[in-house]
Amino acid sequence: DAGVIQSPRHEVTEMGQEVTLRCKPISGHNSLFWYRQTMMRGLELLIYFNNNVPIDDSGMPEDRFSAKMPNASFSTLKIQPSEPRDSAVYFCASSFLETENSPLHFGNGTRLTVT
Amino acid sequence: GDSVTQMEGPVTLSEEAFLTINCTYTATGYPSLFWYVQYPGEGLQLLLKATKADDKGSNKGFEATYRKETTSFHLEKGSVQVSDSAVYFCALRETSYDKVIFGPGTSLSVIP
Repeated sequence: DAGVIQSPRHEVTEMGQEVTLRCKPISGHNSLFWYRQTMMRGLELLIYFNNNVPIDDSGMPEDRFSAKMPNASFSTLKIQPSEPRDSAVYFCASSFLETENSPLHFGNGTRLTVT
Repeated sequence: GDSVTQMEGPVTLSEEAFLTINCTYTATGYPSLFWYVQYPGEGLQLLLKATKADDKGSNKGFEATYRKETTSFHLEKGSVQVSDSAVYFCALRETSYDKVIFGPGTSLSVIP
């Protein structure tokens, strides 16, 4: 299995621009998570989906952030407009949440820099 | 709400030293507990897990025991190697359908 695939690996953009991060979960997994990692705040859960339905988006910082999962094999996280404080590493993770000890499988992340 | 607390880092050890990274949790029920490891430039990887009280998870020489009475899940290794240098995260999940909650992470550096 190829694992969770995220693209791009690195994104540099100017303040005010739209940014779209992409994730392909592991085939057969039914849950998908978006996390943000910074030195100051550590690993923060932004949103997670179960069977393509958003379950908890309480971690989404503000309306500039939105996430979609149109089908079981693809998800996007969009920031519009982007700001310098959005600079972070964004991770996508997937899991099969039918058993209590199913672990999360993480992608290698997208490092976002907003100038 | 549920939460995970870890010892402050960074932790620096000499090769072959004994490692303990403390982890305690707060949860309303009986969560599953996990340790994840993150190497530079990579995502987190599962290191070990335990699903009920007194369970011991182990992998690659690392061990952690689910202690319900002290709500703890401390990570230990008897002899660390330089290749163990990474950030270690303790995590919990309350039920099968819940989100996973991570601690702040503990950075470990092992020097030759």
